[in-house]
Amino acid sequence: ETGVTQSPTHLIKTRGQQVTLRCSSQSGHNTVSWYQQALGQGPQFIFQYYREEENGRGNFPPRFSGLQFPNYSSELNVNALELDDSALYLCASSLGVAGAHTGELFFGEGSRLTVL
Amino acid sequence: GENVEQHPSTLSVQEGDSAVIKCTYSDSASNYFPWYKQELGKGPQLIIDIRSNVGEKKDQRIAVTLNKTAKHFSLHITETQPEDSAVYFCAASLINQAGTALIFGKGTTLSVSS
Repeated sequence: ETGVTQSPTHLIKTRGQQVTLRCSSQSGHNTVSWYQQALGQGPQFIFQYYREEENGRGNFPPRFSGLQFPNYSSELNVNALELDDSALYLCASSLGVAGAHTGELFFGEGSRLTVL
Repeated sequence: GENVEQHPSTLSVQEGDSAVIKCTYSDSASNYFPWYKQELGKGPQLIIDIRSNVGEKKDQRIAVTLNKTAKHFSLHITETQPEDSAVYFCAASLINQAGTALIFGKGTTLSVSS
């Protein structure tokens, strides 16, 4: 069974640039969530994708956007980067079955973004 | 919306002692309460979870208790070992057809000294 994989592991951007982070979900999982974890804090929910549609969003501005592909992999895009966007971005996969959801989220190792 | 408070922020114990971490939540509709362990440079790892229809759950040296009336839940680790040293996060969420959006506490750094 393949776990959640994320790329890149580390990257450095400058303020105003755009970034794309990628995630492959655990085998058999069809739901992907993205979380932002600032240093010394707990992860914060950004959004979740199920069947290629966003079906839940946290308190993040529209410049945070995402996609889910038919193979359930996902991308997180952040436009107009700000210094406060520096954080560990975590992808988590889970299993949703028609009309229900297991609840258990399995996280990847994250992508560490530094904005200068 | 949901808010999760976690205490203590740091916890130091001797190997073999027990460790207890406590969390409170605000939304009585929440029905799923997982605990995650995060080691340095890694993503959070699910170690145990509990649902609102259960008061207690145990898995070897780890146990979780839930008090729905008081809206708090706790993680208990017995016979601690140095490899238990990590940051532990509690979380709460409402599982529905749309999925699960976890609201995390701020974490507890557990240090186990031998």
